[in-house]
Amino acid sequence: EPEVTQTPSHQVTQMGQEVILRCVPISNHLYFYWYRQILGQKVEFLVSFYNNEISEKSEIFDDQFSVERPDGSNFTLKIRSTKLEDSAMYFCASSEVRGFEQYFGPGTRLTVT
Amino acid sequence: AQTVTQSQPEMSVQEAETVTLSCTYDTSESDYYLFWYKQPPSRQMILVIRQEAYKQQNATENRFSVNFQKAAKSFSLKISDSQLGDAAMYFCAYRSATHDMRFGAGTRLTVKP
Repeated sequence: EPEVTQTPSHQVTQMGQEVILRCVPISNHLYFYWYRQILGQKVEFLVSFYNNEISEKSEIFDDQFSVERPDGSNFTLKIRSTKLEDSAMYFCASSEVRGFEQYFGPGTRLTVT
Repeated sequence: AQTVTQSQPEMSVQEAETVTLSCTYDTSESDYYLFWYKQPPSRQMILVIRQEAYKQQNATENRFSVNFQKAAKSFSLKISDSQLGDAAMYFCAYRSATHDMRFGAGTRLTVKP
């Protein structure tokens, strides 16, 4: 069964450093998403992406965040200058059609020290 | 703004018994989708069940069913014949044609042997 994959599974970085989180969505899916979950809290929507453009972004997704689909398979989330409060689990998801179920990757745990 | 409320931070159920998890949402839109996701300790997000708002019939998936009350904006999840593997965090989620996924705060379900 096709699945969303994410790398790395765990990333440790120092405050102020840039990080890139990588995702490979399911191959025939057209809509891509990033979510964040701070430990013990709910899953929060960050951004959705379709046709090489951001479709929607939340108030969390400020100028330090960016997304890119650099090739036909990868979907990346970049955090330019990490802060302690960026420590969280970051989930990538994809869906075939907007509104249909989203399939989540296993997540990348980001730890900012 | 669309909000999703799960008023039960924790629930417990005896193995083989039935449990109902509550979810309410607030929206002014008429076309939307509702989901229940399960998050086991591995933190993977797993889709449990989906309901389209235009469908009057309640969705069912094996031991999982929903009670969708559109007028009351209520979307509860019933788990029948609970199993130890059902123990997890359960998140209710809402998305519409104009807004991407919004999650509730989650309900932690414990299954007692």
